Amino acid sequence: GAGVSQTPSNKVTEKGKYVELRCDPISGHTALYWYRQSLGQGPEFLIYFQGTGAADDSGLPNDRFFAVRPEGSVSTLKIQRTERGDSAVYLCASSWAGSNTGELFFGEGSRLTVL
Amino acid sequence: QKEVEQNSGPLSVPEGAIASLNCTYSDRGSQSFFWYRQYSGKSPELIMSIYSNGDKEDGRFTAQLNKASQYVSLLIRDSQPSDSATYLCAFQGAQKLVFGQGTRLTINP
Repeated sequence: GAGVSQTPSNKVTEKGKYVELRCDPISGHTALYWYRQSLGQGPEFLIYFQGTGAADDSGLPNDRFFAVRPEGSVSTLKIQRTERGDSAVYLCASSWAGSNTGELFFGEGSRLTVL
Repeated sequence: QKEVEQNSGPLSVPEGAIASLNCTYSDRGSQSFFWYRQYSGKSPELIMSIYSNGDKEDGRFTAQLNKASQYVSLLIRDSQPSDSATYLCAFQGAQKLVFGQGTRLTINP
């Protein structure tokens, strides 16, 4: 596709459930980022992949959060035992080779609501 | 102290006037700074980057950087209603962009 694709666009789940959010980056982009954005806040960094490996996962809030990118393209963000505080828009972004130019191409996000 | 500080607004500016958006950052080692625009319900998009002290102009937009004061600003000349959005300041941290909370700008016709 032409842009970063994220699915689902909306996800409503109950507290304690498991959730997977998918990101399909722009073809050829080696760098992939996950950010989380709460209402009225800026994007908060979660994890960065360069190729298949997580180059920086320092933003993951706790061990309930995990992300993979097994073939260096599509990535999945996994959240176990969801809590109400996990409710936010989860943004995925990709770029050619990291963020040195500052140009990250963002998807439209997956809005997660935990009831 | 937050790494990037922005006034959350809302900032209201009449159409045709200059909108001035400000941002301060805490990391003295930062070399690269960016302004992203985010329309309501949409994803952020890059509109300006600046790496050196001084001004950088692109059309109606001017970014200003003062590394000694750890201050970045964005000026929008001849503001249009279509400029109404949230403007996010960001700097290049280690392998990632660090964003401020954003300033909500409204241009009044």
